[in-house]
Amino acid sequence: KAGVTQTPRYLIKTRGQQVTLSCSPISGHRSVSWYQQTPGQGLQFLFEYFSETQRNKGNFPGRFSGRQFSNSRSEMNVSTLELGDSALYLCASSRTGEGSPLHFGNGTRLTVT
Amino acid sequence: AQRVTQPEKLLSVFKGAPVELKCNYSYSGSPELFWYVQYSRQRLQLLLRHISRESIKGFTADLNKGETSFHLKKPFAQEEDSAMYYCALDSNYQLIWGAGTKLIIKP
Repeated sequence: KAGVTQTPRYLIKTRGQQVTLSCSPISGHRSVSWYQQTPGQGLQFLFEYFSETQRNKGNFPGRFSGRQFSNSRSEMNVSTLELGDSALYLCASSRTGEGSPLHFGNGTRLTVT
Repeated sequence: AQRVTQPEKLLSVFKGAPVELKCNYSYSGSPELFWYVQYSRQRLQLLLRHISRESIKGFTADLNKGETSFHLKKPFAQEEDSAMYYCALDSNYQLIWGAGTKLIIKP
C-alpha cells in the first residue's frame, strides 16, 4: 500500500509569491490534515478535511488555505509569502480523522527568501 | 486551554537502562492520547495510542487521569530507540503536540 505522498519535496520562493503544496493520501483514507513544523513553534495544526469539507482550522492567517478533492487528494495554498512561512509542511491522512492514527508524508520543505 | 507538555528536550541514557519520556496534558474531557516517533531520515509515525493499551517495540504508556500524564516507558533501552518522540492529544479533528523529546541511547 502506497504511503502518503507530498509534492514537491523542496520549494524555494520569494516573499510576496504564492505557493501550492500537494498531498495524496493513502488509498481509502478520507481525512487529510496539514501541519506546519518549525524549530521554534514545533508542530502546529493548519486544517483538516474530510470528504471535501473542512472540519477544523488552526490559528493561522487567512493567507493559508486548503482544499480537498473528491478523490481525497488535498492541496494547501499560501499566498503573499512571508519569511516566517519557511517551514516543513506535513500532510497526514487517516481513515476518519476522529481519533484514528495519522499517517504522515515526508513533508514539503518551503524556504522563503 | 488544551495543551501537551514534554518537559525534556533531550534525554540521554545508556543502552540497557530504563527509559521514561514524560508527557503531561491539559484537557477538559476524556483525552485521546498518542505517542509518535521520528527516526533519523524517516517520516513521523505512530508508536502507540492509549486506547489500544498495547506494547510496541517494548514501549508502553499508561494514561493517568489523576496526574494528567501519559508517560512513555521502556524497561531496557536499545540503540535503535534513538529518535525524536512526540506526545499528542487528539481534539476536534486535530492533534495538539508536545514540543518533543530527543532520545539518545548511548552504547
